[in-house]
Amino acid sequence: DVKVTQSSRYLVKRTGEKVFLECVQDMDHENMFWYRQDPGLGLRLIYFSYDVKMKEKGDIPEGYSVSREKKERFSLILESASTNQTSMYLCASSLDGTRFTDTQYFGPGTRLTVL
Amino acid sequence: KQEVTQIPAALSVPEGENLVLNCSFTDSAIYNLQWFRQDPGKGLTSLLLIQSSQREQTSGRLNASLDKSSGRSTLYIAASQPGDSATYLCAVYLDNYGQNFVFGPGTRLSVLP
Repeated sequence: DVKVTQSSRYLVKRTGEKVFLECVQDMDHENMFWYRQDPGLGLRLIYFSYDVKMKEKGDIPEGYSVSREKKERFSLILESASTNQTSMYLCASSLDGTRFTDTQYFGPGTRLTVL
Repeated sequence: KQEVTQIPAALSVPEGENLVLNCSFTDSAIYNLQWFRQDPGKGLTSLLLIQSSQREQTSGRLNASLDKSSGRSTLYIAASQPGDSATYLCAVYLDNYGQNFVFGPGTRLSVLP
């Protein structure tokens, strides 16, 4: 079974702090994704990566950056956390490197609260 | 801009009923459509993926259909069980580079014993 793990289930940070959310997948998948999920807004794509050191902006990249130095690891960075970044963050991966036609496998999520 | 809607937003049924969840999308230029299940406070689990050239997919008690031209998909759950209680989301993957992956808001299903 594909396993996608996220570094924390719950995280509480203060406004202005730099925050790192880590995601690791163990199935040699090409694609990795970061979403945030908010009540009434559903899941929205922040960034995705289709290869090591490659990244593409999703629908809501503002206030976020990402890093993919190794194939299995995709990090989401909040350079200066703000209260409107309080949300559930979900990481996902999929096999196909070019056409995004494969099933996405999701991690358990990180619930981030910014005070 | 692609928009995905799901009706109803919430549904409560007695155990054993057959039910249908609906998903609509505004732009028919999609690579595929996927149905997910999400349990409270957890990530998403893929249930079925329908490629744009397909009409339906089946897995156990679940059957998903796709009508690209009308921008609709349905998820049929047969003989519902309390363990089916969860939020069900559909997502479309768009047919253009610089991809967008657009999710619907979900239908919250409660199956009562």
